[in-house]
Amino acid sequence: QQQVKQSPQSLIVQKGGISIINCAYENTAFDYFPWYQQFPGKGPALLIAIRPDVSEKKEGRFTISFNKSAKQFSLHIMDSQPGDSATYFCAASIYGNTGKLIFGQGTTLQVKP
Amino acid sequence: AAGVIQSPRHLIKEKRETATLKCYPIPRHDTVYWYQQGPGQDPQFLISFYEKMQSDKGSIPDRFSAQQFSDYHSELNMSSLELGDSALYFCASSLTGYEQYFGPGTRLTVT
Repeated sequence: QQQVKQSPQSLIVQKGGISIINCAYENTAFDYFPWYQQFPGKGPALLIAIRPDVSEKKEGRFTISFNKSAKQFSLHIMDSQPGDSATYFCAASIYGNTGKLIFGQGTTLQVKP
Repeated sequence: AAGVIQSPRHLIKEKRETATLKCYPIPRHDTVYWYQQGPGQDPQFLISFYEKMQSDKGSIPDRFSAQQFSDYHSELNMSSLELGDSALYFCASSLTGYEQYFGPGTRLTVT
């Protein structure tokens, strides 16, 4: 059973457009929600993360929106660039539970020039 | 800035052989995590160590074992390798218990 569900599975966006990836979770004990970017054959790189006490966090072109009541969070990539083409994973963890990450299934993003 | 170091980067083994993967966490990080990522899949948690003690265990086969040493580096030992063990193995380290920084991974191929 996938504890963190991610959609869409793949996404094609034009250069300069907005990429939006969504995640939903069931376990209300999760208290940390990071997003990772992964290029083929490379390790996941931490992009941005949010705690449930805020509804939005922005770092450069990347924004996380968090809806605690709906148990959903999303990643927005503004002004998407071809270099953003990668696989994006949302994840969730519980601090008091050793912090192991539970990942979503991943979204393959292609940004067309 | 120093990153997580993993070795070897690539490993080819035959069925029933043994493999040892090594991980050197970011300096001063006290927690190490191991994840397995199959082709086209998300990383799956295997095991973690906090201050050299096993802190959590996930879907890790009994054929696998791991430990963290006094210098905080960790090793994942895999015995009786099966074809299905072919995957990318990532080590991640953390100081805060939240942010995890991943290494470049070890690609294990079992033939």
